[in-house]
Amino acid sequence: EAQVTQNPRYLITVTGKKLTVTCSQNMNHEYMSWYRQDPGLGLRQIYYSMNVEVTDKGDVPEGYKVSRKEKRNFPLILESPSPNQTSLYFCASSFSGASNEKLFFGSGTQLSVL
Amino acid sequence: AQKITQTQPGMFVQEKEAVTLDCTYDTSDQSYGLFWYKQPSSGEMIFLIYQGSYDEQNATEGRYSLNFQKARKSANLVISASQLGDSAMYFCAMREYYNDMRFGAGTRLTVKP
Repeated sequence: EAQVTQNPRYLITVTGKKLTVTCSQNMNHEYMSWYRQDPGLGLRQIYYSMNVEVTDKGDVPEGYKVSRKEKRNFPLILESPSPNQTSLYFCASSFSGASNEKLFFGSGTQLSVL
Repeated sequence: AQKITQTQPGMFVQEKEAVTLDCTYDTSDQSYGLFWYKQPSSGEMIFLIYQGSYDEQNATEGRYSLNFQKARKSANLVISASQLGDSAMYFCAMREYYNDMRFGAGTRLTVKP
């Protein structure tokens, strides 16, 4: 089944404790992206990747890191999480960055930073 | 920068009636795509419908149609014959040529029995 697999589904952590949210897609997509969703703000892009070893900042990249060493994986790293990073996070992918390409989304990660 | 505006934070509709969710966008590009996604209470993002900027016909997918008015830069979602299962958050999004997908703030639709 074609899918974007994101783990964990729920995560509670404390301020400053490094964490990684994993994302993997099995559709051979070149484009991958991370979003965070906050009430009243919709989805805002954190980082995106057009291909392996190519990543770039989105609208809200501060406090996050990503890497794209393999085509299928695009982990999101929070090296020193803070309470303002409490949010619902989505990984998404598409075949390319073309304007007619819909995004396929993972099931989301609800992160709480205490 | 691209901007997507959804002016209705919440909407109510009676079961079996039609409802229109508003979306306006701002772009200087000629080539772009418009998308609607549904997010039920379970949280997943479900793709509903797509409209290309060069498409002359409004897109339709079952009970969903997209009312595309290019000159007004609007891309409203019309849901016909609402069902209780349509209660969800709805996001309008736009993607310019080889660019990222940007989302509006969303509209929470509640279908009343």
